[in-house]
Amino acid sequence: SQQGEEDPQALSIQEGENATMNCSYKTSINNLQWYRQNSGRGLVHLILIRSNEREKHSGRLRVTLDTSKKSSSLLITASRAADTASYFCATDAGGNNRLAFGKGNQVVVIP
Amino acid sequence: DSGVTQTPKHLITATGQRVTLRCSPRSGDLSVYWYQQSLDQGLQFLIQYYNGEERAKGNILERFSAQQFPDLHSELNLSSLELGDSALYFCASSPNTQLGPQHFGDGTRLSIL
Repeated sequence: SQQGEEDPQALSIQEGENATMNCSYKTSINNLQWYRQNSGRGLVHLILIRSNEREKHSGRLRVTLDTSKKSSSLLITASRAADTASYFCATDAGGNNRLAFGKGNQVVVIP
Repeated sequence: DSGVTQTPKHLITATGQRVTLRCSPRSGDLSVYWYQQSLDQGLQFLIQYYNGEERAKGNILERFSAQQFPDLHSELNLSSLELGDSALYFCASSPNTQLGPQHFGDGTRLSIL
């Protein structure tokens, strides 16, 4: 079963705006990761946040984690057309020796 | 460039056939993971190998099998292919068995006619 569930499923924004997407999960985790997938390409790791961290930044990316609500958010600031992609959250699924990916969140940035 | 190489990029075959997908992990990575991505099922974990040994198994059908060779490249064998096996198959690698960042190849698009 899918561990991560992203929300919203699809997002269309103007270049320069911020994009926020959320991910919820069901079981306890050690870490949560976000990946980006451009059309027809493999997933690219963006950022990892550990269960004892609440917020993490990487360039224009900001990730938050709320383990009490079992949710995470990914914020992309000052979006660019090149940010157009699908974004996936993944958790280590509570010790099943695998990453469980959500269904993805399609973001379209309009120039 | 992730450093993970998958071949072939595209594969078109017929039902009942058998195919082999190949993956070369990023230099230094000992773990290889296989995933299947389809529109209806999303990204599904199939199997993981670490340094030649099977480490974890996911939703992999009995018609599918994989192995990791001494040089650490991996192959995913799909047999008795069905229409529903049409999907993107990704290989990813990581340095060890800890579930940290994984590096993905660009996938093999399998089309069953």
